[in-house]
Amino acid sequence: QVQLVESGGGVVQPGRSLRLSCAASGFTFSHYAMHWVRHVPGKGLEWMAAISYDGSTQQYGDSVKGRFTISRDNSENALFLQINSLRSEDTAVYHCARGGDYLDKFDMWGQGTAVTVSS
Amino acid sequence: EIVMSQSPATLSVSPGERATLSCRASQNIGYNLAWYHQKPGQAPRLLIYGSFYRASDGPARFSGSGSGTEFTLSISSLQSEDFGIYYCQQYHKWPLTFGGGTKVE
Repeated sequence: QVQLVESGGGVVQPGRSLRLSCAASGFTFSHYAMHWVRHVPGKGLEWMAAISYDGSTQQYGDSVKGRFTISRDNSENALFLQINSLRSEDTAVYHCARGGDYLDKFDMWGQGTAVTVSS
Repeated sequence: EIVMSQSPATLSVSPGERATLSCRASQNIGYNLAWYHQKPGQAPRLLIYGSFYRASDGPARFSGSGSGTEFTLSISSLQSEDFGIYYCQQYHKWPLTFGGGTKVE
């Protein structure tokens, strides 16, 4: 079964760090670029970060550049997002999504993991 | 950054009726546009890419059109499972950006 399953979310205090994970299965993970997209309930979707199929290049949205780091482990079929210096505005559901090419649409999404930043 | 704008914000449609959603890009993006459908508590699902190509499991009642800066998603006969929020997304240039969404109710 082709799927993406996120984990690692929770309630975190402002200023702390968090590492999100995404487990991929049912397809050849190392052939695809991968992305993180967040959804603030009541607001829209915001693309966060992308990583090429081999992990050699990354792109970030302006609002998270310098605080977020995307990485992957193709031997474990896993994608990661390290979030530092968490802010209240980072509260959202974080989805991992599969791209085709590096600059591309998202043809598959995980259900998401919720992050709440609160003291 | 390419700004994506969607209209209307909310669309009230009855089952069986036709729905037309619009998406505008702040600069020319060619055909590099995708449409997604999201229901509450669920992940978004790709419907259309390349402005008019239907995703592999996309129903035939969905169709996309447009190029450059003006795009349209049409639903020929709305079904109950089609209610929710529709987003457009450009993948012409970094950063990837989404429209604010159209809620179909």
